[in-house]
Amino acid sequence: DVKVTQSSRYLVKRTGEKVFLECVQDMDHENMFWYRQDPGLGLRLIYFSYDVKMKEKGDIPEGYSVSREKKERFSLILESASTNQTSMYLCASSILSRNYEQYFGPGTRLTVT
Amino acid sequence: DQQVKQNSPSLSVQEGRISILNCDYTNSMFDYFLWYKKYPAEGPTFLISISSIKDKNEDGRFTVFLNKSAKHLSLHIVPSQPGDSAVYFCAARRYGQNFVFGPGTRLSVLP
Repeated sequence: DVKVTQSSRYLVKRTGEKVFLECVQDMDHENMFWYRQDPGLGLRLIYFSYDVKMKEKGDIPEGYSVSREKKERFSLILESASTNQTSMYLCASSILSRNYEQYFGPGTRLTVT
Repeated sequence: DQQVKQNSPSLSVQEGRISILNCDYTNSMFDYFLWYKKYPAEGPTFLISISSIKDKNEDGRFTVFLNKSAKHLSLHIVPSQPGDSAVYFCAARRYGQNFVFGPGTRLSVLP
């Protein structure tokens, strides 16, 4: 069974803290994605990666960075968390040629106070 | 400016009846469209897709219709079941680019 796991379901951090969100997939997928979901805005792509050590900016990369040192793991980093980064963060993965069929993790609800 | 719009934030339908979820897009270069379903506390799951060379795609109870001239996409669920109650996201893509998602429509199927 396909599985994407995210390190935390809920996270509370203070403004200015460095935050790491981890995502692991067990399907040997080439593509991995990070989205944030906000009410009325849907899912917005932050970064994606199609291979180890490769990364591409999505639609809203400002304030975020990513790391992909192993094929199965894709990390999202908030260098200095701000209140406007309070959101639901969703990780996804897909086969390289089938990026329309993405498998999502359950999400991490991040609150920055 | 949102390129993919779902103008109905919510929709309620009686069990057994048809559910119609609508989606409008602004970019005429979009060539692939899809629907995802999301239950609370879970990630979205892929439901159905359609290429711009087609105007209809069917998978069991789910049918997606594409009207390119109107830049309009719809998802029909027949018959609707209580287990279909979820948030539905429409998404669209221009070839070689990533998908752009709409804000979602919450469907409630009433027993």
